[in-house]
Amino acid sequence: DGGITQSPKYLFRKEGQNVTLSCEQNLNHDAMYWYRQDPGQGLRLIYYSQIVNDFQKGDIAEGYSVSREKKESFPLTVTSAQKNPTAFYLCASRRASGVNTGELFFGEGSRLTVL
Amino acid sequence: AQSVAQPEDQVNVAEGNPLTVKCTYSVSGNPYLFWYVQYPNRGLQFLLKYITGDNLVKGSYGFEAEFNKSQTSFHLKKPSALVSDSALYFCAVRIITSGSARQLTFGSGTQLTVLP
Repeated sequence: DGGITQSPKYLFRKEGQNVTLSCEQNLNHDAMYWYRQDPGQGLRLIYYSQIVNDFQKGDIAEGYSVSREKKESFPLTVTSAQKNPTAFYLCASRRASGVNTGELFFGEGSRLTVL
Repeated sequence: AQSVAQPEDQVNVAEGNPLTVKCTYSVSGNPYLFWYVQYPNRGLQFLLKYITGDNLVKGSYGFEAEFNKSQTSFHLKKPSALVSDSALYFCAVRIITSGSARQLTFGSGTQLTVLP
């Protein structure tokens, strides 16, 4: 079945450590996105990528980094520079060519807790 | 700039009663509008969308939404609520003329609780 796979589901990190969240999709979608979700704040865009080897900062990119070396993969690294990294992270994708009405497809999320 | 507002953080409704989850938007062009649902510790699931045409849009799980251009609203509705509908609901908007891949702007979410 086609879809988006995020791993790990749960992750614990000590302060000062970098961690990388995986996002893989087999939907053949061009665009991929990372969102952060905090209670009562909805979803905030961290980074997005329209094509391989290209990505753009979203609204809250500070303390995060991404790469897009393959169409299927868009990993997110939460660096030690992120002041408050404890959150639920959601990866999404969208077909950017052809008939496109903007609908996003989401993974199941990764919950990061900093100890 | 585009924005979307969900004025109610929490909506409670009795099982079997109709439910409404409110959403208003602000855009400078013609909007694409979406509703998503999220169950605890899960990703968002697409429910329905308005692109153009009929103002009443039908979606998954018996949900529907009505696009009202004059009131800039896109309220989510269901004639008879189920306990299993209890979840967090998000409204989102995208401008058709935008070439940016930033795409959707999400509301802050409304927690729907259906009481048995």
